[in-house]
Amino acid sequence: GNSVTQMEGPVTLSEEAFLTINCTYTATGYPSLFWYVQYPGEGLQLLLKATKADDKGSNKGFEATYRKETTSFHLEKGSVQVSDSAVYFCALSGDTGFQKLVFGTGTRLLVSP
Amino acid sequence: DTGVSQDPRHKITKRGQNVTFRCDPISEHNRLYWYRQTLGQGPEFLTYFQNEAQLEKSRLLSDRFSAERPKGSFSTLEIQRTEQGDSAMYLCATPAGGNTIYFGEGSWLTVV
Repeated sequence: GNSVTQMEGPVTLSEEAFLTINCTYTATGYPSLFWYVQYPGEGLQLLLKATKADDKGSNKGFEATYRKETTSFHLEKGSVQVSDSAVYFCALSGDTGFQKLVFGTGTRLLVSP
Repeated sequence: DTGVSQDPRHKITKRGQNVTFRCDPISEHNRLYWYRQTLGQGPEFLTYFQNEAQLEKSRLLSDRFSAERPKGSFSTLEIQRTEQGDSAMYLCATPAGGNTIYFGEGSWLTVV
């Protein structure tokens, strides 16, 4: 079945450092890929998405490229801020025509001033 | 604005009691989803509706769980005879274009 594997956290960075959170997936067909973010005490917010190979999703300075050859969708940001501290979830949606998402376990990011 | 309102936001209940959560989409959607998120884990799919019809249920949804969407608008998720293992956040979601869904703020359940 479909699955998502994320790097374990927490990831601890200083402000303005470069961020990479690794995500790899296993899926049949051509899934869509997503990154969601969860700030403390809040629900999930869609951060970015990519629906086909080589697509790059971007939002708020975050980027991720859909790499079918390596089955990866790594999240990157060039310069993190304290306000980026949150839990980041990688997810995929199969090509079944409805939005049943499979999530990774999440990676906590802690950014210090 | 996530497009989904959930109530209550927090619920503490004693083991064995019944609880009900409600999800109200702000605008009309044919589809509505329920997910569950336990501490330190990603959300897991529970069930989804196409209008009033419940089309798929996860194995996570034991016979103590029942979900309804009587008029194809709001939805309820009831848990009977709660157990401590039911403690989690219950998330409702609706489609948001393409293959994307938007989640509500969630309803936190603590079973003591």
